[in-house]
Amino acid sequence: NAGVMQNPRHLVRRRGQEARLRCSPMKGHSHVYWYRQLPEEGLKFMVYLQKENIIDESGMPKERFSAEFPKEGPSILRIQQVVRGDSAAYFCASSPRDRLYEQYFGPGTRLTVT
Amino acid sequence: DAKTTQPPSMDCAEGRAANLPCNHSTISGNEYVYWYRQIHSQGPQYIIHGLKNNETNEMASLIITEDRKSSTLILPHATLRDTAVYYCIVRAGTSSVSGNTPLVFGKGTRLSVIA
Repeated sequence: NAGVMQNPRHLVRRRGQEARLRCSPMKGHSHVYWYRQLPEEGLKFMVYLQKENIIDESGMPKERFSAEFPKEGPSILRIQQVVRGDSAAYFCASSPRDRLYEQYFGPGTRLTVT
Repeated sequence: DAKTTQPPSMDCAEGRAANLPCNHSTISGNEYVYWYRQIHSQGPQYIIHGLKNNETNEMASLIITEDRKSSTLILPHATLRDTAVYYCIVRAGTSSVSGNTPLVFGKGTRLSVIA
């Protein structure tokens, strides 16, 4: 059973470009979480999604950031018009429906904005 | 904000038990104690969780005080691969209804296992 997969692992964008980060949860998991880790800081929750629904987006910046988890395909975290402060590691986690207390994390996408 | 307090760093000799403390004096009755760890540059890894009874699994043991205001994660025989940042997290519930709250990470304890 493959773990949580994220791609790309490293992403470089110039200021003003768009960044798209993908997360494929573990097989059978229908709950996805996105977290951001700024350099030398702890992880901060951004958004929690189930298939086709955003459950909790209380940690998402109000502008430029959006997330989706379509019925088919991976979850996408989109950052429009990136700025240098968006440079961070973005982690995705998934949970099985019957064990929501366990979150399985992917390897992360390291976004660098130049 | 994190509801837990942990020492910023600890050292442990390889092969010895690593005991990582965590204070959570404001924990409420429906909140569980979770432990995750993050090995350098990797995603966090679930270790164990508990409510009030001591818990043990293949990775670690969790000892929760009777008043639930503090706990200790025990790695019985630490190896170099256990070097990581360990996060103690307080979180409501484990049921399908209430166990889906996000994890709130603090700064954790940086454990260095020394050969």
